[in-house]
Amino acid sequence: AQSVTQPDIHITVSEGASLELRCNYSYGATPYLFWYVQSPGQGLQLLLKYFSGDTLVQGIKGFEAEFKRSQSSFNLRKPSVHWSDAAEYFCAVGARSGATNKLIFGTGTLLAVQP
Amino acid sequence: GAVVSQHPSWVICKSGTSVKIECRSLDFQATTMFWYRQFPKQSLMLMATSNEGSKATYEQGVEKDKFLINHASLTLSTLTVTSAHPEDSSFYICSAREGGEYGYTFGSGTRLTVV
Repeated sequence: AQSVTQPDIHITVSEGASLELRCNYSYGATPYLFWYVQSPGQGLQLLLKYFSGDTLVQGIKGFEAEFKRSQSSFNLRKPSVHWSDAAEYFCAVGARSGATNKLIFGTGTLLAVQP
Repeated sequence: GAVVSQHPSWVICKSGTSVKIECRSLDFQATTMFWYRQFPKQSLMLMATSNEGSKATYEQGVEKDKFLINHASLTLSTLTVTSAHPEDSSFYICSAREGGEYGYTFGSGTRLTVV
């Protein structure tokens, strides 16, 4: 069965420091992978996605992620974190179910940014 | 870009009453919409897939009679929580497929509190 694991429940970084959020997936075929960000009490915003091709994917807000098939990982990175990046981040894998494509989410990583 | 409007943003209701949550795609037609439930500090759990003009497909463990889903038009899906109880208190989020295989846009969510 498809699943997504985000090992880090909570991460705190200093403003200006680099960031890496981990994501591991379990999927039988070539996965469709996503990173979403959620601000408190809000819906989800897509940061980036990987379907195929270049394994390093660029997203919005300066984020990037790298697909590593050998490690079943899709880690999210940002070179320099801003205070406004404090939010919850969800990794997701796309899963085909009948005629519908569904998203299966990880448990999320809550990012805190210290001044 | 694509916008999904979810209403209300928050609602408080008495135990035993029913509550309706609306999910509208404002600038595109959505044949498929999804309803998620999110408990505090947890991930999004898919409740059901809403298909325009047909019955919703519920995930295992979700009570169909308790969470009524109607997708009567290409721009509107509703989730009705019937005979609500305090354990139904949660954050409910909808998403609509705007295009492509995984072109999903999320609503801003509804915080339901049952007292």
